[in-house]
Amino acid sequence: ETGVTQTPRHLVMGMTNKKSLKCEQHLGHNAMYWYKQSAKKPLELMFVYNFKEQTENNSVPSRFSPECPNSSHLFLHLHTLQPEDSALYLCASSQEVGQANYGYTFGSGTRLTVV
Amino acid sequence: SQKIEQNSEALNIQEGKTATLTCNYTNYSPAYLQWYRQDPGRGPVFLLLIRENEKEKRKERLKVTFDTTLKQSLFHITASQPADSATYLCARYNNNDMRFGAGTRLTVKP
Repeated sequence: ETGVTQTPRHLVMGMTNKKSLKCEQHLGHNAMYWYKQSAKKPLELMFVYNFKEQTENNSVPSRFSPECPNSSHLFLHLHTLQPEDSALYLCASSQEVGQANYGYTFGSGTRLTVV
Repeated sequence: SQKIEQNSEALNIQEGKTATLTCNYTNYSPAYLQWYRQDPGRGPVFLLLIRENEKEKRKERLKVTFDTTLKQSLFHITASQPADSATYLCARYNNNDMRFGAGTRLTVKP
């Protein structure tokens, strides 16, 4: 395991459902990130949190709502999603924003399918 | 805008040969480039980082180069093994902004 844990690993949801993705790390990192990975496309940065404060929202639709209650936990709340939102959602952490000398540590992701 | 491109979507090589993957970037040089390995159904795993002022970095069978004139980084795996089969991602880092390439899927055949 990498030290970044994501749950659930797989999620199938209808377009009218509300669900949440969870990410947890106990690496002592202060920066956490949500990325979206679609087939054959580069990772798309969605949100960045540094010391629990959101520092970046990369023009993400409001149907995605992040929450960071503390430096160890990050959530992504989902509601009224579209089929094109189906993708692998990856959580990552690093020492802090601006300190990536040791790379980002990623979780295994949540495979989301919107039906 | 800053772009990073991995020109080959897939690369197939024979076991024992050296695999060479290419990463190109546009505009100004990133502070550093990173390389990650991603296996199916898993998140990327950090492998190596090379800074703008470094020409080459090595780690066991891995070697990364950084050519600011060509705006390119090369990632080499020597004496490749079937277990090296995976998707390899490069990422450029500048000013708190990390951008990833789409990846190259490497297959090492026995």
